[in-house]
Amino acid sequence: DAGITQSPRHKVTETGTPVTLRCHQTENHRYMYWYRQDPGHGLRLIHYSYGVKDTDKGEVSDGYSVSRSKTEDFLLTLESATSSQTSVYFCAISELTYEQYFGPGTRLTVT
Amino acid sequence: EDQVTQSPEALRLQEGESSSLNCSYTVSGLRGLFWYRQDPGKGPEFLFTLYSAGEEKEKERLKATLTKKESFLHITAPKPEDSATYLCAVHLSNDYKLSFGAGTTVTVRA
Repeated sequence: DAGITQSPRHKVTETGTPVTLRCHQTENHRYMYWYRQDPGHGLRLIHYSYGVKDTDKGEVSDGYSVSRSKTEDFLLTLESATSSQTSVYFCAISELTYEQYFGPGTRLTVT
Repeated sequence: EDQVTQSPEALRLQEGESSSLNCSYTVSGLRGLFWYRQDPGKGPEFLFTLYSAGEEKEKERLKATLTKKESFLHITAPKPEDSATYLCAVHLSNDYKLSFGAGTTVTVRA
């Protein structure tokens, strides 16, 4: 299995609070991604990174920000969580072949 | 607009009953098509990459094929442990991103 960990694995938070999810890899892959997965929508890309400090928006980026200060870590921040951001969040990594390897996921509930 | 469509949404099979899942795409400049397996509560697990029409890949009871407009994932003589959601994704030209279909949930009964 690809060396990808996500933390926390489960989180319950209140509307309006900031939340940061962490993705850590030990594969030294260049590309990292954050997705959310919701019933009826499948996997949707939030943000991605193509190198340290190089990030770009995906299709559902509103309300989310990311940072990548080291190759191995990619952080996803919800500045002010809303109930619509209740979801399962997956981190993925890839290299030049573009096949992506996924982490175990974080289940986030915003009450 | 680029689109990936998987069918059927759900498939219930008897153990040993072979079947196929479909992934059709309307993207321009396809650079690769990927199949993943996802078990409940887990992240997607990479299965195959297909790059060109006519290409086939096999792994145990699974075989993936690719044409110019669609891909099939054939499950031969499935077992209950093949029960999962199968996702396909396409790699678009000039981009790092994958575009995913909604998945097909396969249930195999003993």
